[in-house]
Formats: sequence, C-alpha cells, structure tokens
Amino acid sequence: DTGVSQDPRHKITKRGQNVTFRCDPISEHNRLYWYRQTLGQGPEFLTYFQNEAQLEKSRLLSDRFSAERPKGSFSTLEIQRTEQGDSAMYLCASYLPGGELFFGEGSRLTVL
Amino acid sequence: AQSVTQLDSQVPVFEEAPVELRCNYSSSVSVYLFWYVQYPNQGLQLLLKYLSGSTLVESINGFEAEFNKSQTSFHLRKPSVHISDTAEYFCAVAMDSSYKLIFGSGTRLLVRP
Repeated sequence: DTGVSQDPRHKITKRGQNVTFRCDPISEHNRLYWYRQTLGQGPEFLTYFQNEAQLEKSRLLSDRFSAERPKGSFSTLEIQRTEQGDSAMYLCASYLPGGELFFGEGSRLTVL
Repeated sequence: AQSVTQLDSQVPVFEEAPVELRCNYSSSVSVYLFWYVQYPNQGLQLLLKYLSGSTLVESINGFEAEFNKSQTSFHLRKPSVHISDTAEYFCAVAMDSSYKLIFGSGTRLLVRP
C-alpha cells in the first residue's frame, strides 16, 4: 500500500496521559498536514510541514500539542497531559505541489 | 475569517433521483475549491476540484460541481444517484498555494432503494 499511513488507528487513554501519533506520508510528497476532526464536524487544520520545516500552526494547537517531521519523511503529533476535549480523529495528509492532497484513515483518540 | 458553509447536514434521496449538495464560502480573494467524500470507515478522498479555467468540473463517477464566483458557491450535483454514493461529503477551500484546506461541516448523503 503506497498511501498515507497512520498509527495507531485507535488510542484510548486516561486524562493526563501523553499520546503520540505517527504519520507516514506518500514517499515523494514533501508537504504533510495534520487535521483534527470531531463528531459531526469537518476537519480543522492544525499544522503543516514542507519537508522538515513546520510552516504554520493553528491557534487550535495549544502548548500541549507538538508536531515534528525530523527528516522530512514521517511525522509525529504528540499531545501532552490529555484532556477529554482532545478526543477526536486526528488526520494526516500529504501533498506534492501540482498534485493531489491524500489523506490517511486517521487516528482516533478517546480520552477517558 | 474565511469559512465554508454546508447548510444541509443530511440529504436523503431515492436511488436514481438527482441530488444537489450545497456549498458556499466566504472569501474576498481567489480560492481553490474542492469536494471530498468519506465512505464509512475510510479516509477522505478527493472527488473533484476547481483550480482555474472552466467553472464546471466533473468527477469520474458522474458528479459535477460548478464554481459561481458571484454567488461564492460550489454546489455538487449528480443527475442519478446510486446506493453506493451513500457517504459524507465535505466541501473545502484553499486560499493560496499552501493548500491549507478549510472544510465545511459536511453533508451526509443517504441514498435509499
């Protein structure tokens, strides 16, 4: 499968714990995006990378959130001290300018 | 701030009937427009897009959308729907080449036999 891969697909955690999600984009895509989707809503932009550089962060991304793309390939999204309001589907997408934005199937976070 | 409005949260329709899913956006600058589809338990897939040129764009499975700049709309249409078209449809805009998408809240198309 050469699509966008996300891991884990589902994470259940207790409030206050840290969680990390991983995204493996399509190999030649130099841009990578993170979105968050809650029930009944469309995806909301969180941040995006061009290669390893993080170019923009949404105000939705509080200090508890951090994203990295250390070698310009895979990316991680870490949430520290999770809160129940963080429960959502976290989507990753990758893009090659001139092409199409491809989404992964998402990582669903449930905070108890 | 830019926004995308999908007024209909759910659209029930009988198989083989026509359907229109509405999308309006707010922006004073040129935009790129998209429709994405999400089938149950699957990721978002691009259905069609408008970047420039002809205001009428078509998908391979019979959907079409028309960019109307004066009405700031990008409604999605299909003349005859199938059961397999049952899914969530999201309209999205990008303001520039960053391709950072702003999504609407989605419309659930429910096709009944």
